[in-house]
Amino acid sequence: GQSLEQPSEVTAVEGAIVQINCTYQTSGFYGLSWYQQHDGGAPTFLSYNALDGLEETGRFSSFLSRSDSYGYLLLQELQMKDSASYFCAVKGGSNYQLIWGAGTKLIIKP
Amino acid sequence: EADIYQTPRYLVIGTGKKITLECSQTMGHDKMYWYQQDPGMELHLIHYSYGVNSTEKGDLSSESTVSRIRTEHFPLTLESARPSHTSQYLCASSRDNNSPLHFGNGTRLTVT
Repeated sequence: GQSLEQPSEVTAVEGAIVQINCTYQTSGFYGLSWYQQHDGGAPTFLSYNALDGLEETGRFSSFLSRSDSYGYLLLQELQMKDSASYFCAVKGGSNYQLIWGAGTKLIIKP
Repeated sequence: EADIYQTPRYLVIGTGKKITLECSQTMGHDKMYWYQQDPGMELHLIHYSYGVNSTEKGDLSSESTVSRIRTEHFPLTLESARPSHTSQYLCASSRDNNSPLHFGNGTRLTVT
């Protein structure tokens, strides 16, 4: 089967750093993506890793280790507006489409 | 500013009705997708399209159909709605297979 595992909920304090992990088991792997979704809103793209290593985009960074089937999203200098659900998604499977994790709800406290 | 539009935003219908959820994008993207998402859950791929006259089934394609007559338009039809279809339906598009997905704001469907 194909599956992605990520924590269901993470709590952090405003201004802090938080890491959201994602482990995957898929047939075929072409890249790991991260999307943000606010309550009632549409998912929006954050980052994509096809190769091992760290990708940095402003306050957000994403890491991939293909040998460990593992990646994470790192959010720095947390702001209240970062309160949202974060989804990892792997491009893989027999039809080369995105397979989604169940999402991690990030709760930020002042 | 939204470049991909879904209508209606909310819809409540009775069991057995036929409905069509509309999705249009103005970005000229070839690839389009329909996902189903229950609250707090992962997205499930229903249908996707590589371009005009191309449609493919995803994981949850049963009981629904799509068409792609024009690049910008990708409607989803439920032939006979059931309470189990109550969910949020998200339409998305991408420039190509390696580009990020752009999502519409979704249609929240309730079948009574």
